[in-house]
Amino acid sequence: AQSVAQPEDQVNVAEGNPLTVKCTYSVSGNPYLFWYVQYPNRGLQFLLKYITGDNLVKGSYGFEAEFNKSQTSFHLKKPSALVSDSALYFCAVRDRGAGNQFYFGTGTSLTVIP
Amino acid sequence: ETGVTQSPTHLIKTRGQQVTLRCSSQSGHNTVSWYQQALGQGPQFIFQYYREEENGRGNFPPRFSGLQFPNYSSELNVNALELDDSALYLCASSPQTSWFQETQYFGPGTRLLVL
Repeated sequence: AQSVAQPEDQVNVAEGNPLTVKCTYSVSGNPYLFWYVQYPNRGLQFLLKYITGDNLVKGSYGFEAEFNKSQTSFHLKKPSALVSDSALYFCAVRDRGAGNQFYFGTGTSLTVIP
Repeated sequence: ETGVTQSPTHLIKTRGQQVTLRCSSQSGHNTVSWYQQALGQGPQFIFQYYREEENGRGNFPPRFSGLQFPNYSSELNVNALELDDSALYLCASSPQTSWFQETQYFGPGTRLLVL
């Protein structure tokens, strides 16, 4: 069973507009959720994570994400998109109930249009 | 602080050969994980090493094996290479405390092409 899903392969947003990149998850225990960004020909860079506590998590470069337990979602958001935010975004979850595996979504390509 | 480094950056092998990829973890990190990222896909978890022992494994066959050394650097070995093994191989390290909560820091990857 897929542990994390990113339903949108591609998201386009105008510069200055708010952006949302969606992620839903499925794990057997408490979720440990992460967002990473990947620029072309580069490794993954950490943006933010939810472990416990406040459902709204703030991270790098003005990004934030909201943990919603009832909807099993962890959507990435930013109030005002920049052209430099254009990249590939991955949601990930640590499933301690499944051999400590770390599952990544298939990625969402974000394009910010000037 | 030195980040995660991987070598080589690129590699070309033929089907049936064996390959060894190397990773140096970030200073102070003793947990290392390996991932396979096929073109257009998200990274797939191969396995994780903590204090020189494997403590988590994804759905990869035994021909994918690894080692972690006392200095916490790591190797990924793949035997009997198949065409589908062509991918970007990523190494990530994280610090000791509560490793399952910790952020993983990724290296730039090794791009393997199997012909």
